[in-house]
Amino acid sequence: GIQVEQSPPDLILQEGANSTLRCNFSDSVNNLQWFHQNPWGQLINLFYIPSGTKQNGRLSATTVATERYSLLYISSSQTTDSGVYFCAVERRGGAGSYQLTFGKGTKLSVIP
Amino acid sequence: GAVVSQHPSRVICKSGTSVKIECRSLDFQATTMFWYRQFPKQSLMLMATSNEGSKATYEQGVEKDKFLINHASLTLSTLTVTSAHPEDSSFYICSARAGGTEAFFGQGTRLTVV
Repeated sequence: GIQVEQSPPDLILQEGANSTLRCNFSDSVNNLQWFHQNPWGQLINLFYIPSGTKQNGRLSATTVATERYSLLYISSSQTTDSGVYFCAVERRGGAGSYQLTFGKGTKLSVIP
Repeated sequence: GAVVSQHPSRVICKSGTSVKIECRSLDFQATTMFWYRQFPKQSLMLMATSNEGSKATYEQGVEKDKFLINHASLTLSTLTVTSAHPEDSSFYICSARAGGTEAFFGQGTRLTVV
């Protein structure tokens, strides 16, 4: 199956700093999503971005499908940004269609 | 975004009993629903995929007789953990999609078997 690697595994930031999280995947994908898992376990949808660039407030994401990676940018980080960020991809066709495969996540800690 | 509601959010049960978890898509019709399990400090592991009106497809290593999944309508899927044991204690999360669109997740259920 498709492999998803996220880096870095852990990241500690001072409040106000910027960061870039990376997601590499081993094959072409039909779907890529970024999620933020809050301390209560809820997965919050950040971006649905199989290709291109999107922005939402202080967050933006870019997926370069031909080079099999996606980047999540967090600017002016806040303590509420703390949590685990997951990248998940879907490769459609045959068994396992519509299934998302998750990376291991990046644990972000933003300190005041 | 779309809303997926999962209940209960937390449940404690005695060893040997069964527990049912519900997953509802509130504002869209979910042709496909997924059930995941997450251990502490780990990623989400897919347990099974269910399509409305048909039997669920379980991932390798997941016991279908222990984890019963029913997807009776386009807005409701249930996961029943039968004869629960302490090793079944975990965080269970459901997801719903309408075809190949964006996936949305429920709030999760923390199951503790004592």
